[in-house]
Amino acid sequence: DTGVSQDPRHKITKRGQNVTFRCDPISEHNRLYWYRQTLGQGPEFLTYFQNEAQLEKSRLLSDRFSAERPKGSFSTLEIQRTEQGDSAMYLCASSFGKNIQYFGAGTRLSVL
Amino acid sequence: TQLLEQSPQFLSIQEGENLTVYCNSSSVFSSLQWYRQEPGEGPVLLVTVVTGGEVKKLKRLTFQFGDARKDSSLHITAAQPGDTGLYLCAGALGTSGSRLTFGEGTQLTVNP
Repeated sequence: DTGVSQDPRHKITKRGQNVTFRCDPISEHNRLYWYRQTLGQGPEFLTYFQNEAQLEKSRLLSDRFSAERPKGSFSTLEIQRTEQGDSAMYLCASSFGKNIQYFGAGTRLSVL
Repeated sequence: TQLLEQSPQFLSIQEGENLTVYCNSSSVFSSLQWYRQEPGEGPVLLVTVVTGGEVKKLKRLTFQFGDARKDSSLHITAAQPGDTGLYLCAGALGTSGSRLTFGEGTQLTVNP
């Protein structure tokens, strides 16, 4: 069991650039979730997939954000035209059905 | 308005002391999880409680789920410096069990 893997662990970018993060879930897990966590706060839900279908999106997910899970395995989260307010830790989690969600180590994004 | 209110937000105690962290809501949760998070890492699950009134023990940690499934507490006995971290409660709403709603977290520091 390799756990949930996220890449990169850290990303520094300039305002206005696009960034893409990758998440590899635990292999037998059919659900994959994205959360965002800012300093001093708990994680906030962004979106989740069941297999390749994106079933729910938070209002936090503006039109600059897009997530995909094309083959029902790994997922990508892209942020276009990054803003300083996008600076946060982006966490991915996976589960089998509605069972326990296991989290990755996250991608720390800093927008300068 | 935070759906899950955690208290206290910060707690600094001496090694050997006992402490309790509270997680309260006006909403009913189908399950509630407690996570611990280290700096720069993702949350790690400690326990899941699903039945109103349930009490679970994990070594020196005792978790309780309120009878109405709206609140929970985490009690640590004889705290150790290794217990230092951010403690997060998270609830799953409804039967879909998709998104987790997190509290703001309790930052615990145990001084030797």
